[in-house]
Amino acid sequence: ETGVTQTPRHLVMGMTNKKSLKCEQHLGHNAMYWYKQSAKKPLELMFVYNFKEQTENNSVPSRFSPECPNSSHLFLHLHTLQPEDSALYLCASSQGTDGYTFGSGTRLTVV
Amino acid sequence: GENVEQHPSTLSVQEGDSAVIKCTYSDSASNYFPWYKQELGKGPQLIIDIRSNVGEKKDQRIAVTLNKTAKHFSLHITETQPEDSAVYFCAANTGGFKTIFGAGTRLFVKA
Repeated sequence: ETGVTQTPRHLVMGMTNKKSLKCEQHLGHNAMYWYKQSAKKPLELMFVYNFKEQTENNSVPSRFSPECPNSSHLFLHLHTLQPEDSALYLCASSQGTDGYTFGSGTRLTVV
Repeated sequence: GENVEQHPSTLSVQEGDSAVIKCTYSDSASNYFPWYKQELGKGPQLIIDIRSNVGEKKDQRIAVTLNKTAKHFSLHITETQPEDSAVYFCAANTGGFKTIFGAGTRLFVKA
């Protein structure tokens, strides 16, 4: 495993549901990230946390709500999503600002 | 803000041939350029990186070159093997927590 674990691997949710994605890193890194990966698009940065403080919110709609209780755990709370939010959501961590270690992602389908 | 363009979007080579993927960036303050490989069902994995004070870096069959003046950087894979088939992403970082990714190159290595 890469050292970054994401759960669940797959998620199907209705537009009125509330769900959460979880990410855990075992690498002792100080920074954690949420990225959205859609087909034929570059990876889109959503949120950045450094030492559990949010340092970046890349104009993400409020239906996505991040939570970082400590440097090892990161959550993405989802509510009233739209079908266009269907994508692969990737969590990553890094020590400083150098290369990232990514998890395997959560494949989200909004129906 | 930073913008990273990556070409080609698809590349098909014969096993044993070389593959070259090219990227350009817009922000002259960018100083760190990682490359990631993403296999099916997995998150991107860092394979090599280069800093702006270096022109070239090699690691076995892969190498990266950087031309700061032209704002170009390239990934070179020699003696390609079927297991090199994947999507490759270039990225650029200015030293903060915001790494911008290219759109990706899907590499097919034909046996």
